[in-house]
Amino acid sequence: GENVEQHPSTLSVQEGDSAVIKCTYSDSASNYFPWYKQELGKRPQLIIDIRSNVGEKKDQRIAVTLNKTAKHFSLHITETQPEDSAVYFCAARRAEGNKLVFGAGTILRVKS
Amino acid sequence: NAGVTQTPKFQVLKTGQSMTLQCAQDMNHEYMSWYRQDPGMGLRLIHYSVGAGITDQGEVPNGYNVSRSTTEDFPLRLLSAAPSQTSVYFCASSRGTEAFFGQGTRLTVV
Repeated sequence: GENVEQHPSTLSVQEGDSAVIKCTYSDSASNYFPWYKQELGKRPQLIIDIRSNVGEKKDQRIAVTLNKTAKHFSLHITETQPEDSAVYFCAARRAEGNKLVFGAGTILRVKS
Repeated sequence: NAGVTQTPKFQVLKTGQSMTLQCAQDMNHEYMSWYRQDPGMGLRLIHYSVGAGITDQGEVPNGYNVSRSTTEDFPLRLLSAAPSQTSVYFCASSRGTEAFFGQGTRLTVV
């Protein structure tokens, strides 16, 4: 089955710097790659996603890139702010069915 | 529109007790899933369903049962609770892309 690895497990950046979180997946049949943000004590919420027919997607300060050949995708956050501090999860889903498999998460701390 | 509703929010069980975590969604989503969240291990899939009457196992199904008699409801049953099942449990639903999560159930087994 699908296996998703996520790095780093923790990331500390200064306010205004960029943050990059990387994930690799094992199943070449996966075609949907979302990123979720979970604030302390809250539920995970989708922040951006990308499908396998697209190489990059941007939404204001966040962007996701996908390299299908290497089977890895990354989340980029620019001009980080204290409110970006949270746990971020990547995930992957196969073309058939809807079994979403998550990475282990990255704790992002933005220091002001 | 309530979205995905989980009950209870908190629960303490004794080893060997049974209980059911409830999950309901009002978005007419086909897909529903249960995850457990443990520190450093992310969200691990327990069981999932692609429609009423259809369920399948995820990554960590042992010790848990599910059923999907209606589109709206997807309860998770612990038949004989063990301390290893202490965790935060999330239910999620989707129609194919974005998964919407419930608020979570923090379960402690003593």
